[in-house]
Amino acid sequence: GAGVSQSPSNKVTEKGKDVELRCDPISGHTALYWYRQSLGQGLEFLIYFQGNSAPDKSGLPSDRFSAERTGGSVSTLTIQRTQQEDSAVYLCASSLEPTMNTEAFFGQGTRLTVV
Amino acid sequence: LAKTTQPISMDSYEGQEVNITCSHNNIATNDYITWYQQFPSQGPRFIIQGYKTKVTNEVASLFIPADRKSSTLSLPRVSLSDTAVYYCLVGQAGTALIFGKGTTLSVSS
Repeated sequence: GAGVSQSPSNKVTEKGKDVELRCDPISGHTALYWYRQSLGQGLEFLIYFQGNSAPDKSGLPSDRFSAERTGGSVSTLTIQRTQQEDSAVYLCASSLEPTMNTEAFFGQGTRLTVV
Repeated sequence: LAKTTQPISMDSYEGQEVNITCSHNNIATNDYITWYQQFPSQGPRFIIQGYKTKVTNEVASLFIPADRKSSTLSLPRVSLSDTAVYYCLVGQAGTALIFGKGTTLSVSS
């Protein structure tokens, strides 16, 4: 596709359930980022994948959160035992290479609501 | 990581030039300065990036003084559609993009 694609666009889940959020980056982009944005707040960094390097997981808020990137392309963010405070928009972005002029392209996000 | 500080909000009128300044006192030699724009219910969008002096594109200009401890995003003749949150980021290639709280720009007619 032409841009970063995220699915689902909306997800409502019950507290305690696990959820998986998917991100399809732009083809050929080696870097992939996940962020969380609560209502009216800025972007909270979660995790960063860069090629074959070990991902930067420093932003993951708890061990309930994990992410994978298979084959250097599609990424899945998994939240286990969801809590109401996990409700937010989860944004994915990708960029071509980690060069000085790297421009990150964002998807439209997945709005997660935990009830 | 260099921390950035920018105003929480700014107000302007259509047709005015808007300048948003970002402070990054502990910027590192290899850090670049990048600005993103975010509209409601959308992901951020890249606006401009620079290392030093001045950079201009079709959307904005970025002014960076010699000491690089601050930068100013300049939006010429803003319109209502420029109402958005503007983020200043500082970082090196190959590292995660860290966003601050951004500046909410409100443009009125």
